[in-house]
Amino acid sequence: QKEVEQNSGPLSVPEGAIASLNCTYSDRGSQSFFWYRQYSGKSPELIMSIYSNGDKEDGRFTAQLNKASQYVSLLIRDSQPSDSATYLCAVNILHLTGTASKLTFGTGTRLQVTL
Amino acid sequence: DAGVTQSPTHLIKTRGQHVTLRCSPISGHKSVSWYQQVLGQGPQFIFQYYEKEERGRGNFPDRFSARQFPNYSSELNVNALLLGDSALYLCASSRGQGPTEAFFGQGTRLTVV
Repeated sequence: QKEVEQNSGPLSVPEGAIASLNCTYSDRGSQSFFWYRQYSGKSPELIMSIYSNGDKEDGRFTAQLNKASQYVSLLIRDSQPSDSATYLCAVNILHLTGTASKLTFGTGTRLQVTL
Repeated sequence: DAGVTQSPTHLIKTRGQHVTLRCSPISGHKSVSWYQQVLGQGPQFIFQYYEKEERGRGNFPDRFSARQFPNYSSELNVNALLLGDSALYLCASSRGQGPTEAFFGQGTRLTVV
């Protein structure tokens, strides 16, 4: 089982619709959860972070975390063509030595927002 | 404030050569981590440095090494390059060593021929 799993997509949504991106993780010791947006040929850009169960909203973005189900999601409201990108789910897992932390990424979901 | 800066942005090397990649974190950030991203995959953790000490290492061979300087900038070194080392190398800056937000630089695109 992969540590962080995402559907690779592509997920196609029409402009103005809600895009729903999902991610599951395997390590119950995971402490923090992030969504990054990556445009083709560019580096990942942090768009949301969430640390506790529930919802966190920032503009058109809502991150949802359910630690019991080991599930984190990202909702994008009023999707725009400029939202077309790969969305990477990242989970921060304390390193085995206990002195570091690392981000473990899923393979990303490619989102296409159509006109 | 400047974000995370990496240099060079692109690099072409021949198999067997050595490469050094550089990263300057966000001002006030003391942790630098390095990641490798190959096409179609998420970034893979290579190293974390905090306060000039290695705090974590991913599943990469000893050909990969890194260090952090007193000004918190960092270098990633890769020896005896293989074709499979071709990837986007990403530096991430974070304030502390714990599970806090990490911000990436623009990356270095390494091509090994």
